[in-house]
Amino acid sequence: SQQGEEDPQALSIQEGENATMNCSYKTSINNLQWYRQNSGRGLVHLILIRSNEREKHSGRLRVTLDTSKKSSSLLITASRAADTASYFCATDAYNAGNMLTFGGGTRLMVKP
Amino acid sequence: DGGITQSPKYLFRKEGQNVTLSCEQNLNHDAMYWYRQDPGQGLRLIYYSQIVNDFQKGDIAEGYSVSREKKESFPLTVTSAQKNPTAFYLCASSIEGRVLNRKGYTFGSGTRLTVV
Repeated sequence: SQQGEEDPQALSIQEGENATMNCSYKTSINNLQWYRQNSGRGLVHLILIRSNEREKHSGRLRVTLDTSKKSSSLLITASRAADTASYFCATDAYNAGNMLTFGGGTRLMVKP
Repeated sequence: DGGITQSPKYLFRKEGQNVTLSCEQNLNHDAMYWYRQDPGQGLRLIYYSQIVNDFQKGDIAEGYSVSREKKESFPLTVTSAQKNPTAFYLCASSIEGRVLNRKGYTFGSGTRLTVV
């Protein structure tokens, strides 16, 4: 079963614009992570936010977490064509044996 | 550089055959995982191992088997009992079963299995 659900499923923007992806989950979590996957490749860890944190930054990435709404968002600022990839949220939930559960992903296309 | 290596990159299986996908890591990670990804979908957990000589079923273990005889290696066998094995298979590892550090999982580059 999928704990995290991303929204939108697909997003197309122009280079230079900001991209926002959302993730909702169902049960209490230890932390939430975002991963990136280029087509036909493995996933790369981007950022982890703990359940007691509300916002994290890493370069052009900004992640927020609202545990009351069981949701997170990933913002990529000043997007580049090289940001074109699928982005997945993953939750480390208390009732899942502390295993990561991945959502279905958002496919982001950044047009040059 | 440390990393996690999956081989082969592409694998073709005939109906009724068993095939084994290799996953090796030199990160000294305790935990290893196998995920299946279907086109345009997320990842589903097949098996995981938090320590040598021990492994647990994930959400979709039927038709698959694993072993963990060495810390570095976690091979996945796709058996003939798996009725729809065509998919992208991803192996991952983490420093321990509980994701306590900030690096998350490290993934291999995947094996694409096709039934012919």
